[in-house]
Amino acid sequence: GQNIDQPTEMTATEGAIVQINCTYQTSGFNGLFWYQQHAGEAPTFLSYNVLDGLEEKGRFSSFLSRSKGYSYLLLKELQMKDSASYLCAVLDSNYQLIWGAGTKLIIKP
Amino acid sequence: DVKVTQSSRYLVKRTGEKVFLECVQDMDHENMFWYRQDPGLGLRLIYFSYDVKMKEKGDIPEGYSVSREKKERFSLILESASTNQTSMYLCASTATADNTDTQYFGPGTRLTVL
Repeated sequence: GQNIDQPTEMTATEGAIVQINCTYQTSGFNGLFWYQQHAGEAPTFLSYNVLDGLEEKGRFSSFLSRSKGYSYLLLKELQMKDSASYLCAVLDSNYQLIWGAGTKLIIKP
Repeated sequence: DVKVTQSSRYLVKRTGEKVFLECVQDMDHENMFWYRQDPGLGLRLIYFSYDVKMKEKGDIPEGYSVSREKKERFSLILESASTNQTSMYLCASTATADNTDTQYFGPGTRLTVL
């Protein structure tokens, strides 16, 4: 079967750095997405990785290793507004999105 | 600015009622999706559509149907609502047929079936 694993919940301190991991086992791979979802709101796009390596966008970076079936989202200089759920999703061989359950990130002052 | 709207943010219905959830996008996207989101589970695809009058079953289509009469509008129908259909329903659209583009989501409809 197809599976996406992420930690259920993480806690970090304002101003710190946090890494949210995502491992996947899917039938084929055509890219990995990260989305942010604030409570009660719609998910919004953060990043899309299809090649190995690190992509940086301001305070957020996303890393992919296809051989290990692994990705992480790195958030630097955490702000209270970063408190949200972070969803990992993989595009499989049929170009269908397989979603993880999401990681709830709690930021403490 | 891109926009996906859904007809209701909150809805309360009774068991056995027919329920219509509507989604409209203003980006001229070909592809539209209906998901449900439940605590502890990932987004689960109910139905999707790649063109007007075209529909494809997702992972959990049982108990649901859809309608896409116009490109911008994609409706989800619960023929006879049941309590296990209490959930958050999210509509999304994307520009590319292969889903490599961003999915734009509506604000969601939280449906409670009593």
